[in-house]
Amino acid sequence: AQSVTQLGSHVSVSEGALVLLRCNYSSSVPPYLFWYVQYPNQGLQLLLKYTTGATLVKGINGFEAEFKKSETSFHLTKPSAHMSDAAEYFCAVMRNTGGFKTIFGAGTRLFVKA
Amino acid sequence: EPEVTQTPSHQVTQMGQEVILRCVPISNHLYFYWYRQILGQKVEFLVSFYNNEISEKSEIFDDQFSVERPDGSNFTLKIRSTKLEDSAMYFCASSRGQGNSPLHFGNGTRLTVT
Repeated sequence: AQSVTQLGSHVSVSEGALVLLRCNYSSSVPPYLFWYVQYPNQGLQLLLKYTTGATLVKGINGFEAEFKKSETSFHLTKPSAHMSDAAEYFCAVMRNTGGFKTIFGAGTRLFVKA
Repeated sequence: EPEVTQTPSHQVTQMGQEVILRCVPISNHLYFYWYRQILGQKVEFLVSFYNNEISEKSEIFDDQFSVERPDGSNFTLKIRSTKLEDSAMYFCASSRGQGNSPLHFGNGTRLTVT
């Protein structure tokens, strides 16, 4: 069975500081991994995805994530936080068979202090 | 850019009443999903739908729930007899159904059962 664990339900950083949101997954087969962002009263938007190939993937708004198979991790980073980055971030794994079910982590709420 | 649209944005109903949540997925997508997010909790998979039938459902998706694609554009979620614990945000999503194809989410319907 596939699952996703996000370490830290809340992360607070200062504007301009590094953002690091942690995600670990478990999967019996090579997974497809995603990060989504949710702003208040909105649906989830795709930030970035890893399917195959390069393990460092870049997404929108300056975010990137690195797939590390040996650590079963897919941490999300951004070198310099902006106030507009304050949102809820979800790591997700997609099962690449059948109905392509996507399973989400519990989410990490990012706070950005001025 | 095409998007998933959901109506209504907010639905208030009394316990025991039937509700239908509506979604218009992206037109060239093949897989359709419903997810639920209880306030402050994780995004939970309910059901996936492909080729006019359910491809997978979770344990949450019991006999009180049903989905339908009544025409070529709409995708609906029906809750037959609502309970207080059905209060949540319900998100519709669609995808092309390939492993590297992420979910595209609507903005959700907030269901409040009183």
